[in-house]
Amino acid sequence: EVSLVESGGGVVQPGGSLRLSCAASGFTFSDSTMHWVRQSPRRGLEWVSLISGDGSTTFYSESVRGRFVISRDNADNSLHLQMNSLRSEDSAFYYCASAVPMDYKLFDHWGLGTVVTVSS
Amino acid sequence: DIQMTQSPSSLSASVGDRVNIKCRASQNIGAYLNWYSQKPGKAPNLLIFAAATLRSGAPSRFSGSGSGTDFTLTIDNVQPEDFATYFCQETSATLPGAFGGGTNLDMK
Repeated sequence: EVSLVESGGGVVQPGGSLRLSCAASGFTFSDSTMHWVRQSPRRGLEWVSLISGDGSTTFYSESVRGRFVISRDNADNSLHLQMNSLRSEDSAFYYCASAVPMDYKLFDHWGLGTVVTVSS
Repeated sequence: DIQMTQSPSSLSASVGDRVNIKCRASQNIGAYLNWYSQKPGKAPNLLIFAAATLRSGAPSRFSGSGSGTDFTLTIDNVQPEDFATYFCQETSATLPGAFGGGTNLDMK
């Protein structure tokens, strides 16, 4: 059974940093494009970033480009999101999600999320 | 950027009802429209992709239609487990696109 478990969320001051992680199991992680998607009452659901199965290709939404870095470690089936220069508008539930095999833009399995709160 | 607008934002129905949820794109997205459902405290779940293709395992009472800018999610014979929030999302470009604001379906 597929399992995705996020961790690393918390409260951070504006301008600070956080590193989110996602532990994956139950599927061939290295074959899967992975995403970070966030959700907040203010901004709704919003795609954040994706990384290809081998880690060679990454993309970011305009709202986080230059501040966030996505990475993965296929040796231990983990996905990460390094979030720097955090702003109040980055406060959200952050989900990791695996892509549907035939369409990397569709979100297949999701974790339960981890909460990030950016506040002074 | 493409904007996605859903209507209504909330909807009340009884078990057995037929409901329609609308999604409008700010520009032509062909059939690159997907529907997700989300229950409180849970992550979203993919229901329909490419406007009308039911994801494997999703109940057949769900159907999608539309193309271009106007799309509809229909639930025939609403069941208790269908009370949730539904989101549309466009994927017409290289990267995942915008989600709609959601439609909360609750019990009348």
